[in-house]
Amino acid sequence: DSGVTQTPKHLITATGQRVTLRCSPRSGDLSVYWYQQSLDQGLQFLIQYYNGEERAKGNILERFSAQQFPDLHSELNLSSLELGDSALYFCASSVGGGAGQPQHFGDGTRLSIL
Amino acid sequence: DAKTTQPPSMDCAEGRAANLPCNHSTISGNEYVYWYRQIHSQGPQYIIHGLKNNETNEMASLIITEDRKSSTLILPHATLRDTAVYYCIVREFSGSARQLTFGSGTQLTVLP
Repeated sequence: DSGVTQTPKHLITATGQRVTLRCSPRSGDLSVYWYQQSLDQGLQFLIQYYNGEERAKGNILERFSAQQFPDLHSELNLSSLELGDSALYFCASSVGGGAGQPQHFGDGTRLSIL
Repeated sequence: DAKTTQPPSMDCAEGRAANLPCNHSTISGNEYVYWYRQIHSQGPQYIIHGLKNNETNEMASLIITEDRKSSTLILPHATLRDTAVYYCIVREFSGSARQLTFGSGTQLTVLP
């Protein structure tokens, strides 16, 4: 158990819809990262937050957005969903944002678009 | 971040040491070497990381060559539960980019 909690574990929805994925980081961790893993793309970094502020952006689509709340949990919002958005979405957390601090991953949310 | 090269697959007999190599010949002085593994579709699991010195924890040992151009992850007594994709990642410790960049990894299969 990494200590990172992601909900829901599975999500099935239709094209055009909007969903929200939730992540609770490990106790004491200030940084949250979101990654997407699809069959043809591997694990791709989406976005990082540190103590409520956006710190880095990766290959995140404009239809996707995220935020980190004062209690440090984070949400990833996906809108106007397309079939290609079907993937595993992982959240990771670390104490700070430094490269010497390991990221610990949750078990992910499996998103299926029908 | 420097690119890494790993063999796509390896087998290891249960109970034997598993030695997973990684080449990172373009690594710079301010980059760490990280190892993660992913079992089936579970979240990646942190194993170990190092900068220059060899490191050991309860899961594994990390051996980094003196020139830092390659490293080896050692699982001392592999079990069937160690079957997973193992990712070697180099990560710069300065600048704004803090994410992990995953490659294709090595599929380790532990055989009974």
